Amino acid sequence: DTGVSQDPRHKITKRGQNVTFRCDPISEHNRLYWYRQTLGQGPEFLTYFQNEAQLEKSRLLSDRFSAERPKGSFSTLEIQRTEQGDSAMYLCASSLGTTNEKLFFGSGTQLSVL
Amino acid sequence: RKEVEQDPGPFNVPEGATVAFNCTYSNSASQSFFWYRQDCRKEPKLLMSVYSSGNEDGRFTAQLNRASQYISLLIRDSKLSDSATYLCVVNLRGGNTPLVFGKGTRLSVIA
Repeated sequence: DTGVSQDPRHKITKRGQNVTFRCDPISEHNRLYWYRQTLGQGPEFLTYFQNEAQLEKSRLLSDRFSAERPKGSFSTLEIQRTEQGDSAMYLCASSLGTTNEKLFFGSGTQLSVL
Repeated sequence: RKEVEQDPGPFNVPEGATVAFNCTYSNSASQSFFWYRQDCRKEPKLLMSVYSSGNEDGRFTAQLNRASQYISLLIRDSKLSDSATYLCVVNLRGGNTPLVFGKGTRLSVIA
């Protein structure tokens, strides 16, 4: 399967712990996005990369969140000092980076903060 | 006005019915428009792009009204397999800026 893959699929953690998620995009895609989705809501943009450069971060993204894409391939999203409000599905998507582009999403990481 | 606004539904329709979803967007300079489909507990997948001239793909028709800043999706002859959430997606700020998703409209097609 050469689609977008995310790991882990599920993560349960206690409040205050740090968590890290990984996303492997489709190999020829140079653009990678992180979105967050809660029940009954659409995906909400967090940040995106063009190759290894982080081009934009949502103002919703607190300083507890950090994302990297060190070699322009896979990406990690870390949440420090998790809070119950961080519980959500974290979706990664990749694209070729062209105009009118199609996003390909991974299956997501479901985070539950207890 | 919310950036991308949709009626959340749910829309419960019988098989064979025609159903229409509308979506409004806040920025008249928005450039690209899409409908994505999301099945329960699955990731969103592109259903179709929306072009200024309107476009059709089988039972699905998408239309764009730039003057009124809304897009629509029409599903004819609904199938049970059409049951899903339909997300309105807009390149709200144009150029290479991230896509903005609406909350989605849930459709249940009933036998």
